[in-house]
Amino acid sequence: GAGVSQSPRYKVAKRGQDVALRCDPISGHVSLFWYQQALGQGPEFLTYFQNEAQLDKSGLPSDRFFAERPEGSVSTLKIQRTQQEDSAVYLCASSWPGPQGTQETQYFGPGTRLLVL
Amino acid sequence: AQSVTQLGSHVSVSEGALVLLRCNYSSSVPPYLFWYVQYPNQGLQLLLKYTSAATLVKGINGFEAEFKKSETSFHLTKPSAHMSDAAEYFCAVRNMNRDDKIIFGKGTRLHILP
Repeated sequence: GAGVSQSPRYKVAKRGQDVALRCDPISGHVSLFWYQQALGQGPEFLTYFQNEAQLDKSGLPSDRFFAERPEGSVSTLKIQRTQQEDSAVYLCASSWPGPQGTQETQYFGPGTRLLVL
Repeated sequence: AQSVTQLGSHVSVSEGALVLLRCNYSSSVPPYLFWYVQYPNQGLQLLLKYTSAATLVKGINGFEAEFKKSETSFHLTKPSAHMSDAAEYFCAVRNMNRDDKIIFGKGTRLHILP
């Protein structure tokens, strides 16, 4: 079936603008993760949903970052009043958590490249 | 707490030569370990994963990795490099006991010399 999709693929924003990034996980996947990948770095965890419940948001860098998954499927990552340091690739991943972590693979989308000017 | 250290941000090998990308991990709980590859302007693709079933793990594109608990290492190897292997490689760790975030290393860019 289809993999994880993200939109838009590229976004240019002026500093201070709000942006919304969308993630469509693999159908039926319960878990959804957002990661931020700065230039030349590895991805870093932002937040995690199990169905519609946001179970971990410890990686969100500030209160300008907000994520939701209201129906347990599509998720949106919103960044308010964007700053230049928010420029990065935002990756979404989904997985099916089987019993005791037996389904351990997270499948990644292509990412949204955000550039804040 | 978990962390990953990848030795060498850039590695260059000649086409046909052995590829060795080093990864050491730290984990206070039993880990899952992964290697992901990222081609330019693309997402992350899983190369292989260690899930405690076998210490020598074979992945796609001829890559393999060996889990060595005594050395806390999970180095990635390929006997003969191909030009198409040029990419960024990420080692990663995750808590085996529950659905959880992945902790990534900073990545190693592999260059293949003709």
